Amino acid sequence: GQNIDQPTEMTATEGAIVQINCTYQTSGFNGLFWYQQHAGEAPTFLSYNVLDGLEEKGRFSSFLSRSKGYSYLLLKELQMKDSASYLCAVRPRGFQKLVFGTGTRLLVSP
Amino acid sequence: EAQVTQNPRYLITVTGKKLTVTCSQNMNHEYMSWYRQDPGLGLRQIYYSMNVEVTDKGDVPEGYKVSRKEKRNFPLILESPSPNQTSLYFCASSSATTGNYGYTFGSGTRLTVV
Repeated sequence: GQNIDQPTEMTATEGAIVQINCTYQTSGFNGLFWYQQHAGEAPTFLSYNVLDGLEEKGRFSSFLSRSKGYSYLLLKELQMKDSASYLCAVRPRGFQKLVFGTGTRLLVSP
Repeated sequence: EAQVTQNPRYLITVTGKKLTVTCSQNMNHEYMSWYRQDPGLGLRQIYYSMNVEVTDKGDVPEGYKVSRKEKRNFPLILESPSPNQTSLYFCASSSATTGNYGYTFGSGTRLTVV
């Protein structure tokens, strides 16, 4: 079976740093994705990890530990526009299919 | 512009009245998929297609049909909609050559069945 867990909601202050965690148990692993989704809109791609370690892209970084079934998304220098849901998704080995977590709603306050 | 186009964006219909939500992509992607998104449940896969004339059930296929007669199009058909199919629907596509980017999503279709 497939199981992906992330916190339901987080709050943070403008300018701060926030870390959103994701743990997964899947039958196979061929990559982990993070998406950003503003309310009522389509998810948009943020990052992709397939090997252990940290991937940095501007204000956003994503980390993966395959042995622990764990990833996090790190958002630095938070801006109001970062208020959105962040979706963790795993691609099981051999499939294009993505299995999504329920998402973490991040609220950034002034 | 590379994109996935869904229509309509919003739809209100009555129970039992057949409807089709269209999805088209212009990126020559082999893989297409339909998801529904419900509060607290996240994105759940309905059906997917690995290529033309190749479709298979996802995690929540009951009450839905799909077809893939052309590579670019992947319509979602609700033969007899019911209120529990009220949801936000997303079509998505991807390719083995762009696998590191996961899916490209359409803008979504908000369906209400009364």
